Amino acid sequence: DSGVTQTPKHLITATGQRVTLRCSPRSGDLSVYWYQQSLDQGLQFLIQYYNGEERAKGNILERFSAQQFPDLHSELNLSSLELGDSALYFCASSATHLGGSGEQYFGPGTRLTVT
Amino acid sequence: GESVGLHLPTLSVQEGDNSIINCAYSNSASDYFIWYKQESGKGPQFIIDIRSNMDKRQGQRVTVLLNKTVKHLSLQIAATQPGDSAVYFCAENRAGGSTLGRLYFGRGTQLTVWP
Repeated sequence: DSGVTQTPKHLITATGQRVTLRCSPRSGDLSVYWYQQSLDQGLQFLIQYYNGEERAKGNILERFSAQQFPDLHSELNLSSLELGDSALYFCASSATHLGGSGEQYFGPGTRLTVT
Repeated sequence: GESVGLHLPTLSVQEGDNSIINCAYSNSASDYFIWYKQESGKGPQFIIDIRSNMDKRQGQRVTVLLNKTVKHLSLQIAATQPGDSAVYFCAENRAGGSTLGRLYFGRGTQLTVWP
């Protein structure tokens, strides 16, 4: 158990809909990262937050957005869903915003299926 | 383009043998590397990391070797066990700028251990 929690574990929704994925980092970790894992793209970095502020942006679509709240939990919002958004979404946390200062701990993921 | 890649998509070994999983990277600015293990249905799990000022690091039954000259990373697993069966990813952190904290993942190698 990494200490990172994600809800829900599974999510099935229709195209065009909007969903929210939730992540609680390990106790004390200030950084939260979101990744998308699909069969054809592998693990792709989406976005990083550090202590409530956006720190780095990766291959995140404009239809997707995220935020980190004062209690450090984070939410990833996916809107206007398309079939191609079906994937595993992972959240990870680390103690600092410097990825090189320590490893990122991954949650169990949310499996999103868009039908 | 720049990428982190793995030489072999699959690796099958017999229980008790040593395993070697390879990874190539192309960004000479990368200063921190991590190996992750992902079991089916779970999030990536940290195995071992190494900084660019080192060429070898050992953990419990695992050793990571870094050859900066040829931009090559390898993970050696001693006395491989059935519980080691998983997908193994290498990831790199590219120093500086907006990529700080962002990990770039390779495609992964499926390790299968036969009894």
